[in-house]
Amino acid sequence: SQQGEEDPQALSIQEGENATMNCSYKTSINNLQWYRQNSGRGLVHLILIRSNEREKHSGRLRVTLDTSKKSSSLLITASRAADTASYFCATGFNTNAGKSTFGDGTTLTVKP
Amino acid sequence: EADIYQTPRYLVIGTGKKITLECSQTMGHDKMYWYQQDPGMELHLIHYSYGVNSTEKGDLSSESTVSRIRTEHFPLTLESARPSHTSQYLCASLGVGTEAFFGQGTRLTVV
Repeated sequence: SQQGEEDPQALSIQEGENATMNCSYKTSINNLQWYRQNSGRGLVHLILIRSNEREKHSGRLRVTLDTSKKSSSLLITASRAADTASYFCATGFNTNAGKSTFGDGTTLTVKP
Repeated sequence: EADIYQTPRYLVIGTGKKITLECSQTMGHDKMYWYQQDPGMELHLIHYSYGVNSTEKGDLSSESTVSRIRTEHFPLTLESARPSHTSQYLCASLGVGTEAFFGQGTRLTVV
């Protein structure tokens, strides 16, 4: 199965609410990244958390990493309709092997 | 805004045709990647490259081939397209940092 697996697969919330997405991975990592994808388009990098970090913030984004559980979570606070997109976690970039693995993705819908 | 471009954005072709999907980046990045993504599904790595004259197959078996003759260019070729190749193809590059930059994707339909 995929290295990274997100849950939930789909999330629908009202504007102003917080959205939490989770990601699990299988192998050891140097860092974990979260990307956003608007429908039918390329991915955009959101935030990176290194393996020696437990939490990181960027604007309305908060990412946590638990290497003992091999899991990460992405929290979007005070969500907006424009946050509607799919969110993917990714591992493996810049390892010696150079390969990367993306999770299944969480599709977030924020209703105005 | 990322300087990585994919052409065409949309392509509809007949079965058996040979096609090349273009990917170019102007950031001087050594590492480049091709992913295949079905609608609403995960990304699957099909090819990657560490630099000029370096290409490797990814995790997903693919009937496509790639070349890396120049740093900025990483085209993907399908010698004989089939309906099973219908998908979205995403190209990405990675420089010294750890953030990958993605193109807008090519949505391929084989009829």
